[in-house]
Amino acid sequence: AQSVTQLGSHVSVSEGALVLLRCNYSSSVPPYLFWYVQYPNQGLQLLLKYTSAATLVKGINGFEAEFKKSETSFHLTKPSAHMSDAAEYFCAVVSGGYNKLIFGAGTRLAVHP
Amino acid sequence: DTAVSQTPKYLVTQMGNDKSIKCEQNLGHDTMYWYKQDSKKFLKIMFSYNNKELIINETVPNRFSPKSPDKAHLNLHINSLELGDSAVYFCASSRWDRDNEQFFGPGTRLTVL
Repeated sequence: AQSVTQLGSHVSVSEGALVLLRCNYSSSVPPYLFWYVQYPNQGLQLLLKYTSAATLVKGINGFEAEFKKSETSFHLTKPSAHMSDAAEYFCAVVSGGYNKLIFGAGTRLAVHP
Repeated sequence: DTAVSQTPKYLVTQMGNDKSIKCEQNLGHDTMYWYKQDSKKFLKIMFSYNNKELIINETVPNRFSPKSPDKAHLNLHINSLELGDSAVYFCASSRWDRDNEQFFGPGTRLTVL
């Protein structure tokens, strides 16, 4: 069965610093991977997805992620953090044949001045 | 225009009561989902419907009964509410293909007293 593990439940960065949120996946088949963001008291919004095309995926709000099969990783990065990036970030993988999303435990990103 | 909407946004009720949450999507998708997010922000799929047919039914107490009257609507009825049912419930929708993103509603915060 497919699964994802997010390393670090809390990440804190300074405004303008690099953001790196880690996600490792486990999958017996080529995975479909997603990063979602959840702002306080809101639903989830897709940041980007990997669907076996380019390994470097660019998303919204300046985020990108690189799929590395050898490391089974799909880490999310942003060169320069903004205060508005403070949110909960979820990595997810499609599992099985019914488009079932399996989510990681989430990483809370805090951005301080 | 709201893509995926849920009502109500907040639901406070007593143990033992029966309650329903409604979800509607105007994206023309054929697949809809219910997720539960617990107090630690962990997201887990509960049910999924494709063209009004139940296709995912995770290990959920049978007090929870989803109903899809048409492709644009998916409701969740909960009988005999328990304290442990307190959570945020998210509805989502997507096209059927595995690489398609799921669009999430704003969530319904259920509090059982």
